[in-house]
Amino acid sequence: DVKVTQSSRYLVKRTGEKVFLECVQDMDHENMFWYRQDPGLGLRLIYFSYDVKMKEKGDIPEGYSVSREKKERFSLILESASTNQTSMYLCASRFTGGGWYGYTFGSGTRLTVV
Amino acid sequence: SQELEQSPQSLIVQEGKNLTINCTSSKTLYGLYWYKQKYGEGLIFLMMLQKGGEEKSHEKITAKLDEKKQQSSLHITASQPSHAGIYLCGADTGTASKLTFGTGTRLQVTL
Repeated sequence: DVKVTQSSRYLVKRTGEKVFLECVQDMDHENMFWYRQDPGLGLRLIYFSYDVKMKEKGDIPEGYSVSREKKERFSLILESASTNQTSMYLCASRFTGGGWYGYTFGSGTRLTVV
Repeated sequence: SQELEQSPQSLIVQEGKNLTINCTSSKTLYGLYWYKQKYGEGLIFLMMLQKGGEEKSHEKITAKLDEKKQQSSLHITASQPSHAGIYLCGADTGTASKLTFGTGTRLQVTL
């Protein structure tokens, strides 16, 4: 069964800490995405990546960076965590071959910054 | 940018009742995806609609795409407690394989 795995389900970090959220997919997908989900705001795209070492800003990239050194792994980095980054973070990957394919999502990481 | 509006935002139905969730796009729909999310978890793919008039079913869930209205509907027949969760629609933006999502419909099924 194909999978997108996020390393942590729950995280509690202190303000100012550098935080790494890891996402690994085993489907050889080119495209990977990081979203955050907040009540009333839905899913908002933070960053995405077309391929290894390639990245593009999404709608809300401020305060975040990403790393994609290997095809299967896409990391989201909070350079200096702040309380307004408390949220549910969702990673997804997508096959971009011929045809129409949706995203495969990970189980999410609920991050609390205190 | 494309926006997706879902209605209703939340819904409480009695077990066994039918219900419909709508997803309306501000732009032409190229591909429309329905996902379900259990509380606090990731999104599970339900089905994808591509062509106007297309209708797909899985168990007791049916989705339709009205291309002219730029709208999709998700219908659940004889709801069960296992149907509870958040339903989100997502659409291809036509740009770089990104999907845009609606804000979701929270469904509760009471006994």
